[in-house]
Amino acid sequence: RKEVEQDPGPFNVPEGATVAFNCTYSNSASQSFFWYRQDCRKEPKLLMSVYSSGNEDGRFTAQLNRASQYISLLIRDSKLSDSATYLCVVPRRNYGQNFVFGPGTRLSVLP
Amino acid sequence: DADVTQTPRNRITKTGKRIMLECSQTKGHDRMYWYRQDPGLGLRLIYYSFDVKDINKGEISDGYSVSRQAQAKFSLSLESAIPNQTALYFCATATGTDYSNQPQHFGDGTRLSIL
Repeated sequence: RKEVEQDPGPFNVPEGATVAFNCTYSNSASQSFFWYRQDCRKEPKLLMSVYSSGNEDGRFTAQLNRASQYISLLIRDSKLSDSATYLCVVPRRNYGQNFVFGPGTRLSVLP
Repeated sequence: DADVTQTPRNRITKTGKRIMLECSQTKGHDRMYWYRQDPGLGLRLIYYSFDVKDINKGEISDGYSVSRQAQAKFSLSLESAIPNQTALYFCATATGTDYSNQPQHFGDGTRLSIL
């Protein structure tokens, strides 16, 4: 299993829709996870941190399932400005205290 | 002003040239990282440093070298640039108190093209 895998994109959804992305990871000892968003050719920006079972911030909810080794990101009431690539980040197994970034899932919110 | 500043923002150069990309931060973070990103691929770690005296190779360090001149400065060098090093390069920082809880913060990136 790869260290981190994400749902293939792109996800094309209408404004106002609810959309969810999944991310699976292989390092069962992982303790902390992150979701970043990246706009085209821009730097990744931290969206949410996930340290326990989950986290909620406004329209965004992240959930962690340790038994099945996946994290999810739920976006409610999608806005046009949510269009971006969403990167899942998990601790890396073989490079000490570092993280591995998933390939990303692209979201397009359509008017 | 940005907390993590990369210079230059864009660079076009020729094969065989030596290039240095610089990163400075005002966040007071101990840990600094260099990544490259290619179209369709995720971020790949080139080098990382947990303090001034600590330098570590990442997954794709061949053809690159780094220097941690101070806590706030971490530079990446391409000794003899080749076209497949054309990519978007990011510097990132993180605090070092507890690796399992601290996310990374990125600079704006450097677009490097090698002809």
